[in-house]
Amino acid sequence: GENVEQHPSTLSVQEGDSAVIKCTYSDSASNYFPWYKQELGKGPQLIIDIRSNVGEKKDQRIAVTLNKTAKHFSLHITETQPEDSAVYFCAASSGDDKIIFGKGTRLHILP
Amino acid sequence: DTGVSQDPRHKITKRGQNVTFRCDPISEHNRLYWYRQTLGQGPEFLTYFQNEAQLEKSRLLSDRFSAERPKGSFSTLEIQRTEQGDSAMYLCASSLLGGGHTDTQYFGPGTRLTVL
Repeated sequence: GENVEQHPSTLSVQEGDSAVIKCTYSDSASNYFPWYKQELGKGPQLIIDIRSNVGEKKDQRIAVTLNKTAKHFSLHITETQPEDSAVYFCAASSGDDKIIFGKGTRLHILP
Repeated sequence: DTGVSQDPRHKITKRGQNVTFRCDPISEHNRLYWYRQTLGQGPEFLTYFQNEAQLEKSRLLSDRFSAERPKGSFSTLEIQRTEQGDSAMYLCASSLLGGGHTDTQYFGPGTRLTVL
């Protein structure tokens, strides 16, 4: 079955700097890659997703890139703000609608 | 608010007791999912429904767990004879198969279960 690896597990960046989180997946049939943000005591919130027919997608300060050949995908957050502090999860799905999550990255935005 | 809702938000129970959680999906979403999340981990898939049919169950779902979606709307997850290892956040998500955002799953706030 699908396995999603995510790193780093913890990331601290200065406010205003960029943050990058990287993931790899194992199942070449995976074609949908969502990213979720989870704040303490809340459920995961979808922030951006990308499908395998696209190599990059942007939404304001957030961008995601996908390299299907290498089975890598990454989340980029630019101009980080204090409210970006949270746990971020990458995930992959092969179209059966079952999503496999990475273990998460705890992002700290330092003042 | 028209998002996914879950009830209760917190549940504390003693080992051996039965518990039941409820999930109300986004209106008209035909797929509903249950996940379990333990501390420091990502959500793990448990089971999902398309309308009232339960289509897949994870090996994580032991015989003590049962889920239903009797009318294709809300769903319940019951855990019988709870064990301390069942302590976790139970998350529900829903999606619209065949809609403009196929496969996009929207999560509820979760039910945090503590088994003493």
